[in-house]
Amino acid sequence: NAGVTQTPKFRILKIGQSMTLQCTQDMNHNYMYWYRQDPGMGLKLIYYSVGAGITDKGEVPNGYNVSRSTTEDFPLRLELAAPSQTSVYFCASSPQGPPYEQYFGPGTRLTVT
Amino acid sequence: RKEVEQDPGPFNVPEGATVAFNCTYSNSASQSFFWYRQDCRKEPKLLMSVYSSGNEDGRFTAQLNRASQYISLLIRDSKLSDSATYLCVVNRGTGAGSYQLTFGKGTKLSVIP
Repeated sequence: NAGVTQTPKFRILKIGQSMTLQCTQDMNHNYMYWYRQDPGMGLKLIYYSVGAGITDKGEVPNGYNVSRSTTEDFPLRLELAAPSQTSVYFCASSPQGPPYEQYFGPGTRLTVT
Repeated sequence: RKEVEQDPGPFNVPEGATVAFNCTYSNSASQSFFWYRQDCRKEPKLLMSVYSSGNEDGRFTAQLNRASQYISLLIRDSKLSDSATYLCVVNRGTGAGSYQLTFGKGTKLSVIP
């Protein structure tokens, strides 16, 4: 099992550009999540999904969009990138049942200049 | 009161020492509790779930005090490989909150030869 995989590992964007961060899991987890982590800060939830076709906003959704067409994939779209979106982005998944422990991908380091 | 509060450290301890980390949480409805470790520039990885009765995994012991809303992690016989940031994690309560996690900012541990 690969677990949770993310691409790309690193990316530099110019202000105003758009991109999609890819996330795939092979654990057949229904629940998936996107977080961002800024230096010295805790992880902040951007969006989450409880199954294919179902997504909802987390704490910091502004500037992002998601879709969930399959159980395996949960891409995160950045539209009109801004320097405030410079961060490390982690995708995670969890089983459908308590205690809902989450398993993380290796992250994408994004710089917007 | 912050949702999840931890002493950021750093804790610098010699190899073989015993070290304890504490964490407090503000949401009395939280029902799931975890410790994750995060190595520098890596993703968080689940270290252990924390149960009301306390639980042990090798050199690691976790305790939960629901009345005081307090979680602890004890590491015995510290190894160099234990050097990492330890994240205290709790869920947001019931319903949709049951599978959404709040992450502390972490406590940094450095084990010194």
